[in-house]
Amino acid sequence: AQTVTQSQPEMSVQEAETVTLSCTYDTSESDYYLFWYKQPPSRQMILVIRQEAYKQQNATENRFSVNFQKAAKSFSLKISDSQLGDAAMYFCAYRTTSGTYKYIFGTGTRLKVLA
Amino acid sequence: EPEVTQTPSHQVTQMGQEVILRCVPISNHLYFYWYRQILGQKVEFLVSFYNNEISEKSEIFDDQFSVERPDGSNFTLKIRSTKLEDSAMYFCASSEYFRGEPQHFGDGTRLSIL
Repeated sequence: AQTVTQSQPEMSVQEAETVTLSCTYDTSESDYYLFWYKQPPSRQMILVIRQEAYKQQNATENRFSVNFQKAAKSFSLKISDSQLGDAAMYFCAYRTTSGTYKYIFGTGTRLKVLA
Repeated sequence: EPEVTQTPSHQVTQMGQEVILRCVPISNHLYFYWYRQILGQKVEFLVSFYNNEISEKSEIFDDQFSVERPDGSNFTLKIRSTKLEDSAMYFCASSEYFRGEPQHFGDGTRLSIL
């Protein structure tokens, strides 16, 4: 069975600085997808970025980028030029490419952005 | 942009009562999911639904739980006899068939069992 681990329960970053959130996972599959979701206090789960395992290139979405290390089973999220609105809980999620495509989530990292 | 909508946003129920949580997935989506998040804990998969039947369920999804898509637009989660430990945030999600497409989540229903 697949597992997802986020080892940082909480992180803080100064406004305009860069922060990296860690995620590792365990799987025997070779083809899968990885996602980062943001959950602000309003509680809606918002997609931040996704990565296909078969792609070598790291995904980038504006100020958000990932460092995907397939061999190490690591999928970290880098937030550049942090803004107050980035403050939220961030969840890493694994999704298989077979079966029902359910998500397996990590325990989350709460990001605080300091003014 | 189309959204997944959930009602109610907050439900308070006495232990032992039945509750129905409602979701309207995005209209062209084919896969539907329910997840649960107990306060302070991670989001957990409950059940997936495709082609009008359950395609996978977790060990949490016992006989007290059921899902239904009664009219082609709504997707409901029913808990037949609620327990205190059912108190949680329940998220509905949907996705298109294509395996690369992400799931879109609703805002969640906070269920409080007294």
